[in-house]
Amino acid sequence: EIVLTQSPPTLSLSPGERATLSCRASQSVSNFLAWYQQKPGQAPRLLIYDASNRATGVPARFSGSGSGTDFTLTISSLEPEDVAIYYCQQRSNWPPLTFGGGTKVEIK
Amino acid sequence: QVQLVESGGGVVQPGRSLRLSCAASGFTFSSYGMHWVRQAPGKGLEWVAIVSYDGRTKYYAESVKGRFTISRDNSKNTLYLEMNSLSAEDTAVYYCAKTLSEYFQHWGQGTLVTVSS
Repeated sequence: EIVLTQSPPTLSLSPGERATLSCRASQSVSNFLAWYQQKPGQAPRLLIYDASNRATGVPARFSGSGSGTDFTLTISSLEPEDVAIYYCQQRSNWPPLTFGGGTKVEIK
Repeated sequence: QVQLVESGGGVVQPGRSLRLSCAASGFTFSSYGMHWVRQAPGKGLEWVAIVSYDGRTKYYAESVKGRFTISRDNSKNTLYLEMNSLSAEDTAVYYCAKTLSEYFQHWGQGTLVTVSS
């Protein structure tokens, strides 16, 4: 089973700052990695798939990069509505499909 | 637009069974694989099961294998999850999700299953 480790657990930034979230895989997943945003009380939402492709309707301030074992989700300029928990997920070697433990993004 | 509506959650005693449903609309249901994903209170996401577009292929997480059964009725645009031998560790919000190459493209709002005596 591929284990995904996300860091940091919590990120506290001011509006307008750049947010950098990390996801590390226990073995190579090529580019088969997605990112999800889960706001409080809501279902998750697909943001990025195949490491760098934005899903439909996702604002351009969200971008994904990486391949192999190291991936990054970047929010170029943090907005108050970006407060959420962000999860990465791999589909390279499954079953099982696996998620990271999440990074909570807060506004200072 | 894609809509997924789960139902069937509730409080159930340990060892008992429960069946969840997910009504789909806004897309050609019979053309897509479908998943169940769960989230224990205050915890992260856990993939539970997938069924192929035609219902013939199914995979499960080890934690539910042998106890849960995923199925679908394409004539009713509905996905199911039959859950047996439930334990406290199965307490979670259960989401159905439409697949995009084994990513979770669209999600329902979830249904809460609480296993408690």
